[in-house]
Amino acid sequence: DTGVSQDPRHKITKRGQNVTFRCDPISEHNRLYWYRQTLGQGPEFLTYFQNEAQLEKSRLLSDRFSAERPKGSFSTLEIQRTEQGDSAMYLCASSLGPSRANTEAFFGQGTRLTVV
Amino acid sequence: GENVEQHPSTLSVQEGDSAVIKCTYSDSASNYFPWYKQELGKRPQLIIDIRSNVGEKKDQRIAVTLNKTAKHFSLHITETQPEDSAVYFCAASTGTYKYIFGTGTRLKVLA
Repeated sequence: DTGVSQDPRHKITKRGQNVTFRCDPISEHNRLYWYRQTLGQGPEFLTYFQNEAQLEKSRLLSDRFSAERPKGSFSTLEIQRTEQGDSAMYLCASSLGPSRANTEAFFGQGTRLTVV
Repeated sequence: GENVEQHPSTLSVQEGDSAVIKCTYSDSASNYFPWYKQELGKRPQLIIDIRSNVGEKKDQRIAVTLNKTAKHFSLHITETQPEDSAVYFCAASTGTYKYIFGTGTRLKVLA
């Protein structure tokens, strides 16, 4: 599968624990995005990388959330001291850039986080 | 702030009928409008998109129209089939990177 891949697909964790998710974008894509989707809602933007640079973080992203893309390839999203409100589907997407604006964002299948 | 409103939230149509989903955006700088289809438990997939320099785009049974003055755009699906049943999301982008998504429309095509 040459699409965007995310790992793990499902994660159940106890409140207060830390979790880390991984995203592998399509290989030639410079742009990488993290979104969060709760039941019955559209994806909400969390953060964006252009190569290894994190160019924007949503106000939704509290200090407990951190994302990295150390070599401009895969990315990780870490949530520290998880809360029940963090339960959601975390979607990663990638697209071509920066020379081409407005290109299709390809989504991964997501990591479903359940905080108990 | 940036916002995309989407209506209706649910839509049921008979197989073979048409379905229309409407979205309104708030940021007048938006210039790219993709539509995604998400089946249960699967990733969102792009079905059609439109850029602000055109008013309409069609791909087989799917079409999208854009009214920049009114800041709204619509998805039209003709001759609906049961496999069209899914959740559809509209989105708007100012051309940099961030998509603002609507809240989704659950479409049910009744056989």
